[in-house]
Amino acid sequence: SSELTQPPSVSVSPGQTARITCSGDALPKQYAYWYQQKAGQAPVLVIYKDSERSSGIPERFSGFSLGTTVTLTISGVQAEDEADYYCQSADSSNIYGVFGGGTKLTVL
Amino acid sequence: EVQLLESGGNLVQPGGSLRLSCAVSGFTFSSYSLTWVRQAPGKGLEWVSAINSGDGSTYYADSVKGRFTISRDHSKNTLFLQMNSLRAEDTAVYYCAKTGAARPLGSGHGMDVWGQGTTVTVSS
Repeated sequence: SSELTQPPSVSVSPGQTARITCSGDALPKQYAYWYQQKAGQAPVLVIYKDSERSSGIPERFSGFSLGTTVTLTISGVQAEDEADYYCQSADSSNIYGVFGGGTKLTVL
Repeated sequence: EVQLLESGGNLVQPGGSLRLSCAVSGFTFSSYSLTWVRQAPGKGLEWVSAINSGDGSTYYADSVKGRFTISRDHSKNTLFLQMNSLRAEDTAVYYCAKTGAARPLGSGHGMDVWGQGTTVTVSS
């Protein structure tokens, strides 16, 4: 299966660390990407190649991959980080892309 | 500045057709693959279709295969999505996005620039 599974929601207080997971059978063979989407806006690429930070993304964002799970970590969460986060990858044969269901990050 | 500008979204009846366009500027159009992603109201992102920069190979989600056709016009720096046999479940905001590589999948380069989207509503 090439589906990606994310928790629907994660809540943290400002300054804490948020971790958002994404699981999928193809992830050991395929790169994962993370996108941030704020309300009413287009998505923004945050992480590519599992752990590389996209241009202009703060250092508090990091990515990690282990087996069938990839994790987006936001250290020292700020109010401006409140958004929906989506992981994305491809099937094992690079025939189609797939997104996770998205995780709503709430900053308490 | 790299820009993608979608257009063509509209209200259409079930079974109808629509063609979306995505005009790009600020980068070498022929060097990068392009992808369509959609988002139904209140829902998550859904990968729809993509096209290689070089050989023009195309890729489709199962949900649109046989109904949608992606293409690109290098002379106009424009990406298209021809949508036929539209259904209510195709109602969504449609985004075009540039990938930082010639092929859209498996390269390690994500979708690094997105347009603002165009709205398609399928309803009678």
